[in-house]
Amino acid sequence: QSVLTQPPSASGTPGQRVTISCSGSSSNIGSNYVYWYQQLPGTAPKLLIYRSNQRPSAVPDRFSGSKSGTSASLAISGLRSEDEADYYCATWDDSLSSPWVFGGGTKVTVL
Amino acid sequence: QVQLVESGGGVVQPGRSLRLSCAASGFSFISYPMHWVRQAPGKGLEWAALISYDGNKKYYADSVKGRFTISKDNSKKALYLEMNNLRAEDTAVYFCARSYCSGGSCNFDYGMDVWGQGTTVAVSS
Repeated sequence: QSVLTQPPSASGTPGQRVTISCSGSSSNIGSNYVYWYQQLPGTAPKLLIYRSNQRPSAVPDRFSGSKSGTSASLAISGLRSEDEADYYCATWDDSLSSPWVFGGGTKVTVL
Repeated sequence: QVQLVESGGGVVQPGRSLRLSCAASGFSFISYPMHWVRQAPGKGLEWAALISYDGNKKYYADSVKGRFTISKDNSKKALYLEMNNLRAEDTAVYFCARSYCSGGSCNFDYGMDVWGQGTTVAVSS
């Protein structure tokens, strides 16, 4: 059971907007940056969002991140077939002896 | 370009040891903290270990603490994960990853920005 809670799945049709939530606590999301990773089938994870809402230059602006209190969200607008992948949130946890935590992952399906 | 290449995976019996390596290129390896993250078959990502830029500070997941050792050789631009007393539940793809740094600052609570392709470890009798 992950410290960060994500829905196991999300879906949408091409062009739609999909939002993925990541719920934590005051010791992790509530006090630290959130990072989002995209993992296409059979490949290594790729950084999608850093510092909760910053996007690397190579990542399309269809992807956006936000954080409020102890929850964070990743939004994908203008959904495309190539967005079908697993998405993970991650953050530092101040209270744990194992300080880095990942969410359980969300499988996004493009219908 | 920035690149991380893992090696050393394989099939090993329970209770045995294995050492993973990660060769870095294309960036100033000496300046960066580094992570190991693993992914069991069909499962999500699990953080395993973190080492400071100079190798002096290390963090471990509870699941590997006391059995795994992370180390860094800056002269060889290499990251290592020594895995002892391996268990079936250690079966996974192991990724090395670079810590994100900003403006010369590389805090431990900064995430991973560059990942290797992974190396597979299977623990089975």
